[in-house]
Amino acid sequence: DAGVIQSPRHEVTEMGQEVTLRCKPISGHDYLFWYRQTMMRGLELLIYFNNNVPIDDSGMPEDRFSAKMPNASFSTLKIQPSEPRDSAVYFCASSGTSGGPTDTQYFGPGTRLTVL
Amino acid sequence: QKEVEQNSGPLSVPEGAIASLNCTYSDRVSQSFFWYRQYSGKSPELIMSIYSNGDKEDGRFTAQLNKASQYVSLLIRDSQPSDSATYLCAVNENTDKLIFGTGTRLQVFP
Repeated sequence: DAGVIQSPRHEVTEMGQEVTLRCKPISGHDYLFWYRQTMMRGLELLIYFNNNVPIDDSGMPEDRFSAKMPNASFSTLKIQPSEPRDSAVYFCASSGTSGGPTDTQYFGPGTRLTVL
Repeated sequence: QKEVEQNSGPLSVPEGAIASLNCTYSDRVSQSFFWYRQYSGKSPELIMSIYSNGDKEDGRFTAQLNKASQYVSLLIRDSQPSDSATYLCAVNENTDKLIFGTGTRLQVFP
């Protein structure tokens, strides 16, 4: 299995631009999570999906952030407009259901976002 | 505010020693506890999970849970330089999501 795939791996953009991060979860996994990691705040859960349905988006910082999961094999996290404080590493993770909702989460390699 | 707290470190131990990593959590109803390892520039990977009070051993790793004290720890025996990483404690409170601590950086020197 290829694991969780994220693209792009690095993104540098200017303030005000739209940024779209992409994730392909492990085939057969029912849960997909989007996290943001910074030195100051650590690893924060932004939103998660179960069977393509958003379950909890309470971690989404503000309306500039949106996430979709149109099918079981693809999800996007969009920031519009981007701001310098959005600079962070964004991780996507997926998990199956064999052990329940907190089955092992497998993380993708992350997208390092820099907003100038 | 539900929190998971860890000492940021760095925790420095010599090769071959026991490294002890600690984590406290604030929500008494938490059910499941996890330790993830994250190498610099890499993504987190699960190394241990524990659900019941007591010890759980897996190779050189031992997780310890004390729900009464709201405390979970990770012991690494015979520490190796390859164990140098940041260790993240994560707690689930009977929901679908995990709350992560900010991690403890471990340095194992030869």
